[in-house]
Amino acid sequence: AQSVSQHNHHVILSEAASLELGCNYSYGGTVNLFWYVQYPGQHLQLLLKYFSGDPLVKGIKGFEAEFIKSKFSFNLRKPSVQWSDTAEYFCAVNRRNGNNRLAFGKGNQVVVIP
Amino acid sequence: GAVVSQHPSRVICKSGTSVKIECRSLDFQATTMFWYRQFPKKSLMLMATSNEGSKATYEQGVEKDKFLINHASLTLSTLTVTSAHPEDSSFYICSARDSGGSEAFFGQGTRLTVV
Repeated sequence: AQSVSQHNHHVILSEAASLELGCNYSYGGTVNLFWYVQYPGQHLQLLLKYFSGDPLVKGIKGFEAEFIKSKFSFNLRKPSVQWSDTAEYFCAVNRRNGNNRLAFGKGNQVVVIP
Repeated sequence: GAVVSQHPSRVICKSGTSVKIECRSLDFQATTMFWYRQFPKKSLMLMATSNEGSKATYEQGVEKDKFLINHASLTLSTLTVTSAHPEDSSFYICSARDSGGSEAFFGQGTRLTVV
């Protein structure tokens, strides 16, 4: 079964700082990759996804992620964070052409200080 | 994007009682729904995959008699926590995908507290 690793569970940074969250997965086959965000008190929302094509994916709210197949990674980045980016971020993976079962990482709790 | 509604958002129940949580896809038909449990500071743990018109597929270690799942229509799946105990207190989240999509959409979650 695939597994997903996210490091540095707690991240605290100031507004305008750059953010990068690491995501590594263990499955060797073809995968779909996702980043979800959960704002305080709200449900999970999709930030961006990668299925195929350009490995640099741009999502909502200025986020982007880069799929590096050789490193089994799908790191999330934002050049300049805002206070409203305070949230929990989850990386998720499922098998291409599988039954769509998503495997989630443990999440990164990001706090942006104004 | 598609909308998945979960109800109730919060529930408190007495130990030994049963609680039903509903998950509805509001603007699409969901042939498959997923039930997750989220522990504090931990990942979402997939509990089961619910397929419309057939029995749910449970993940290893999840008691199917404890967590009853029914997916009777293309827009509704229910999770019933039977004979709840305090250790069942958790955040339960459902997600759904339509018949043609690869993306899953999430409900807002249900905070269950068993006292």
